[in-house]
Amino acid sequence: DAGVTQSPTHLIKTRGQQVTLRCSPKSGHDTVSWYQQALGQGPQFIFQYYEEEERQRGNFPDRFSGHQFPNYSSELNVNALLLGDSALYLCASSWSPGGSTGELFFGEGSRLTVL
Amino acid sequence: AQSVTQLDSHVSVSEGTPVLLRCNYSSSYSPSLFWYVQHPNKGLQLLLKYTSAATLVKGINGFEAEFKKSETSFHLTKPSAHMSDAAEYFCVVSDPYSGYSTLTFGKGTMLLVSP
Repeated sequence: DAGVTQSPTHLIKTRGQQVTLRCSPKSGHDTVSWYQQALGQGPQFIFQYYEEEERQRGNFPDRFSGHQFPNYSSELNVNALLLGDSALYLCASSWSPGGSTGELFFGEGSRLTVL
Repeated sequence: AQSVTQLDSHVSVSEGTPVLLRCNYSSSYSPSLFWYVQHPNKGLQLLLKYTSAATLVKGINGFEAEFKKSETSFHLTKPSAHMSDAAEYFCVVSDPYSGYSTLTFGKGTMLLVSP
């Protein structure tokens, strides 16, 4: 049973460019959340997708957008990249927006470097 | 608003000695609290969770945590450290009314285990 998979694992972009990160949730899960983890910090909630709609959003600008597909996979898009967007982007899945256990399953992340 | 404060950025122990990682929380509601572990180049993994049941919570790999409302604390302990415990540990709080998927992480405590 595959867990949460993310791609790409590493990427380098320059300021002003756009990036798309991808996530496939754990089998049986229908909710995907995205987190940003800057170096030396804990992950910060970006947004959550359920039934192909953004359900909750953290304190991130509109440059951060997402999408969820009918097969529950998800994309995170970041436009007009800034140096401060350099971070590890984590995808987490659960089987409902609340989850019965409060346990999220995390992928290994996509490490974005903005030069 | 809810938050967690991890009182130590680094904790160093010798193999076979006890582990104590400290966490204080702040929440307007009766919180749900979690400890997650992040090994290098691995995804975050849930160690244990408190959701208003027993105040002493047992997790995986011999870890446990005690919820103390009077002290607003949720410290993580293990009687005997193993080399494989070396990792970064995150204390996490969630407001159950907004959904378990929106987690607020502390800044993390790096546990170093020496032979």
